[in-house]
Amino acid sequence: DAGVTQSPTHLIKTRGQQVTLRCSPKSGHDTVSWYQQALGQGPQFIFQYYEEEERQRGNFPDRFSGHQFPNYSSELNVNALLLGDSALYLCASSLRQGSEKLFFGSGTQLSVL
Amino acid sequence: GESVGLHLPTLSVQEGDSAVIKCTYSDSASNYFPWYKQELGKGPQLIIDIRSNVGEKKDQRIAVTLNKTAKHFSLHITETQPEDSAVYFCAAVTSGGSYIPTFGRGTSLIVHP
Repeated sequence: DAGVTQSPTHLIKTRGQQVTLRCSPKSGHDTVSWYQQALGQGPQFIFQYYEEEERQRGNFPDRFSGHQFPNYSSELNVNALLLGDSALYLCASSLRQGSEKLFFGSGTQLSVL
Repeated sequence: GESVGLHLPTLSVQEGDSAVIKCTYSDSASNYFPWYKQELGKGPQLIIDIRSNVGEKKDQRIAVTLNKTAKHFSLHITETQPEDSAVYFCAAVTSGGSYIPTFGRGTSLIVHP
């Protein structure tokens, strides 16, 4: 049973560029959430997708956008990258919307130079 | 919104000792409290959780206690082993609300052989 998978594992970008991160949820899960984890900090909620729509959003600017596909996989897009966007981006899936138990992937380490 | 605080950024113990990590929360409506373990290069993994209608929960060497009056909850690890070394995150969730966990900053547990 595959867990949550994310790609790529590492990424280096320069300021102003755009990036797309990908996530496949755990088998049987239909809800995907994205988190940003800065060094030494806890994960910060970006947004959650269910039934291909953004259902909830944390305190992140519109430069952060996402998408969920019919097979429940998801993408996180960040435009106009800033140095401060450097972080570990985590995808978490859950069995259904409203389920508190999250299953995390190993994350994508984004470095913005 | 909810705020989750952690008392210790780092905890160092000898193998075989017990470790206790304490978290506080601010929202009295929070009713689900998970603990996640994050090893180097991996995403957080749920290790134990507790709901507000229970005061204590155990799973082998791990236990969680909840004090709703004082708004704090603690992770207890007995007979620590080197493989317990990791960063531990507490979180608080308001079920029936957004179901989105608010994470604390994490405690780095170091178990010396």
